[in-house]
Amino acid sequence: DTGVSQDPRHKITKRGQNVTFRCDPISEHNRLYWYRQTLGQGPEFLTYFQNEAQLEKSRLLSDRFSAERPKGSFSTLEIQRTEQGDSAMYLCASSLALRRTGANYGYTFGSGTRLTVV
Amino acid sequence: AQSVTQLDSQVPVFEEAPVELRCNYSSSVSVYLFWYVQYPNQGLQLLLKYLSGSTLVESINGFEAEFNKSQTSFHLRKPSVHISDTAEYFCAVSYTSGTYKYIFGTGTRLKVLA
Repeated sequence: DTGVSQDPRHKITKRGQNVTFRCDPISEHNRLYWYRQTLGQGPEFLTYFQNEAQLEKSRLLSDRFSAERPKGSFSTLEIQRTEQGDSAMYLCASSLALRRTGANYGYTFGSGTRLTVV
Repeated sequence: AQSVTQLDSQVPVFEEAPVELRCNYSSSVSVYLFWYVQYPNQGLQLLLKYLSGSTLVESINGFEAEFNKSQTSFHLRKPSVHISDTAEYFCAVSYTSGTYKYIFGTGTRLKVLA
């Protein structure tokens, strides 16, 4: 297992276009998270999946954003009608939650997708 | 609500000197605490974590952090830094139940000078 993979690494798009990012988590991990990181800031939580169920969405995730995790494996994050303010690094992370307690003790992050909206 | 404060946005230090990166948090409930390191154009790598037990935690590359509940701090230290330690360091907290989502600080850029 090579860790968490994100594709593409970089994406430049024109304002108003739609973009989709993919995240492949560590295969045995049942939780998957999306974060957004802008320049000079720490990552901010966007959304989280437990298996295929999307259990929480941040208020940062406007109606133009949608995330899926079909079959509880890879996940996609789509941004419709991109705006310049969407320019950021989008980070995916996965973790294994213990079945008995539900606890998990640390994420593995991917290398991120850097989005530039021009 | 939880929050994390990293007061120092940049810390320059000479090679082989000691360094401390400060992290303070605010939370009304128990939290887990983490330090992550980010090299340019890469994702975040877990450096060390405090879950419970001994308040002093260590990483394999010489960093350590001490959880101080009364001061709500989790400062990161290294007695002797190397050029390769140059990176951005993020402190984070998470709830001990539920989503376990992280709240990150704004990061501290450590620059090790030759």
